[in-house]
Amino acid sequence: KNQVEQSPQSLIILEGKNCTLQCNYTVSPFSNLRWYKQDTGRGPVSLTIMTFSENTKSNGRYTATLDADTKQSSLHITASQLSDSASYICVVSEVSGGYNKLIFGAGTRLAVHP
Amino acid sequence: DGGITQSPKYLFRKEGQNVTLSCEQNLNHDAMYWYRQDPGQGLRLIYYSQIVNDFQKGDIAEGYSVSREKKESFPLTVTSAQKNPTAFYLCASSSTVYSGANVLTFGAGSRLTVL
Repeated sequence: KNQVEQSPQSLIILEGKNCTLQCNYTVSPFSNLRWYKQDTGRGPVSLTIMTFSENTKSNGRYTATLDADTKQSSLHITASQLSDSASYICVVSEVSGGYNKLIFGAGTRLAVHP
Repeated sequence: DGGITQSPKYLFRKEGQNVTLSCEQNLNHDAMYWYRQDPGQGLRLIYYSQIVNDFQKGDIAEGYSVSREKKESFPLTVTSAQKNPTAFYLCASSSTVYSGANVLTFGAGSRLTVL
């Protein structure tokens, strides 16, 4: 069964500190991997999208890495801000009969404290 | 501003009642989707639609119905047959379902609570 596992489930850090969120997947065949940010009670917003040939992509203070061989991805947040408090969702795209199916992880809930 | 509008934001329903959640987009996207989000779980696909008057079941379609009479609109009806309907419902759209690089744009969600 194709799965996306994220760790940790939740994380508390102090404002200004860095953190790294992990995503392991077993999806095959793999098309691309996305990271979304979801504020409480809101819809997810795309941060990055990477194909199997890309191993890093940045969006401001967010940097995603991808190791397609080990099927692992990470999202690194630099110099965290209070507004970074949210859930971060890893999403892997599986190509199935021409249809681009998305498999969502359960998310990591990040709390940034002053 | 282009985007997706979901309504209502909060909805309460008595057991045995059908309810309809609205989703409208002005992004000129062909594809639209409905997802369900429960605590501690990843989003699960209910239905998706690539073109007007055509839609496909997702992974958890039982107890739900949809229509796609206009490109901009993709309402979801939660029927009384859905055994555990309390959840956060998210509507999304993208240029196409078939592109590997299509990015989903999500609405703000509708929270349904069954009393």
